Amino acid sequence: DTAVSQTPKYLVTQMGNDKSIKCEQNLGHDTMYWYKQDSKKFLKIMFSYNNKELIINETVPNRFSPKSPDKAHLNLHINSLELGDSAVYFCASSQPTDQSSYEQYFGPGTRLTVT
Amino acid sequence: GQNIDQPTEMTATEGAIVQINCTYQTSGFNGLFWYQQHAGEAPTFLSYNVLDGLEEKGRFSSFLSRSKGYSYLLLKELQMKDSASYLCAVLNYQLIWGAGTKLIIKP
Repeated sequence: DTAVSQTPKYLVTQMGNDKSIKCEQNLGHDTMYWYKQDSKKFLKIMFSYNNKELIINETVPNRFSPKSPDKAHLNLHINSLELGDSAVYFCASSQPTDQSSYEQYFGPGTRLTVT
Repeated sequence: GQNIDQPTEMTATEGAIVQINCTYQTSGFNGLFWYQQHAGEAPTFLSYNVLDGLEEKGRFSSFLSRSKGYSYLLLKELQMKDSASYLCAVLNYQLIWGAGTKLIIKP
């Protein structure tokens, strides 16, 4: 059984379009994240949710809007896609009951290509 | 500011030992993680250090010196499957990630 799943795995779309990426975890974790990994391989956190509540919102354009319908799901909606949005987007989850539990479990990633 | 430095790329020979260094300057510290990421795949957890010293886990060991802001990941008996990127991440109030070190293993 997949612990953290994302759909779609690949997404090719044109500039200006709106798209969504879905993430689900079956680990029972309270905290979920969205990361962006660009061509230089930097993993940059975008958002973090704890029990459906936003706790971290790094400086990302407001074209990116996360939504957490329940603590097992964290979706990412992107409006008016731009070329610079092309990257791999990873969803992750953790259960930080103590510091060692900050270990994060990652989904397989969604490779977004904007043309 | 928050800064994590790792070498961009390293090359080693199958069967040998390699040490990947990570230095950090962060406003807070609650532990340091090492992750492995194969090309085209998600990062996977390798180790966690919060106290000074060496943590050994099979062929992989991780060392931390908090006073020096320094950690290393030691990989022994290298195998071809160890070719991957190794990411250092420091836990402040959230995980702050280094850019990763691409390790190339040659036969």
